[in-house]
Amino acid sequence: EDQVTQSPEALRLQEGESSSLNCSYTVSGLRGLFWYRQDPGKGPEFLFTLYSAGEEKEKERLKATLTKKESFLHITAPKPEDSATYLCAVPNQAGTALIFGKGTTLSVSS
Amino acid sequence: EAGVTQFPSHSVIEKGQTVTLRCDPISGHDNLYWYRRVMGKEIKFLLHFVKESKQDESGMPNNRFLAERTGGTYSTLKVQPAELEDSGVYFCASSQEATSFRGYTFGSGTRLTVV
Repeated sequence: EDQVTQSPEALRLQEGESSSLNCSYTVSGLRGLFWYRQDPGKGPEFLFTLYSAGEEKEKERLKATLTKKESFLHITAPKPEDSATYLCAVPNQAGTALIFGKGTTLSVSS
Repeated sequence: EAGVTQFPSHSVIEKGQTVTLRCDPISGHDNLYWYRRVMGKEIKFLLHFVKESKQDESGMPNNRFLAERTGGTYSTLKVQPAELEDSGVYFCASSQEATSFRGYTFGSGTRLTVV
């Protein structure tokens, strides 16, 4: 069964303290891995898509990487405004819908 | 460009009552999706419309849920009768292409509480 697992569930960082979030997946024929950011009371907002092992994408303090079995979202020198829930998702086998992980809730304090 | 609009933003109803959620997609987006997040669980797919046709409703939990998209514009999701386990946040998303998940735009969701 296709599955996405994210860890940790919650992460508290001090401003400037870099860390990584993990997303592991089991899916046949990966059609891309998606990272979203979700703020309280809002819907998920697209961040990155990765398609092949070794691929990397960057946006401001965020960098996403992909291996054959997992993806990492690296946060470098985070700021309080980076606080949010980060979601990882992959398309289902039919390619018609996304399978989400439970997310990692990141809190960055100043 | 206006985003995906959902309303109400919150709804509290009693078990056994009926509730209708509405989603207005981005204009021109033929593909409309409903997802749901139950407390403590991941966001899960419910169904997919292409224009007014149901393309995939494999995620609908049971026949108490009815989704419609008349005229291929806005969509409604009716829960009748509501049960306690239906509580959660219901998200709608729209896209121009069916398989372009990068182009997904989500609404802010409707938080449904069944008491």
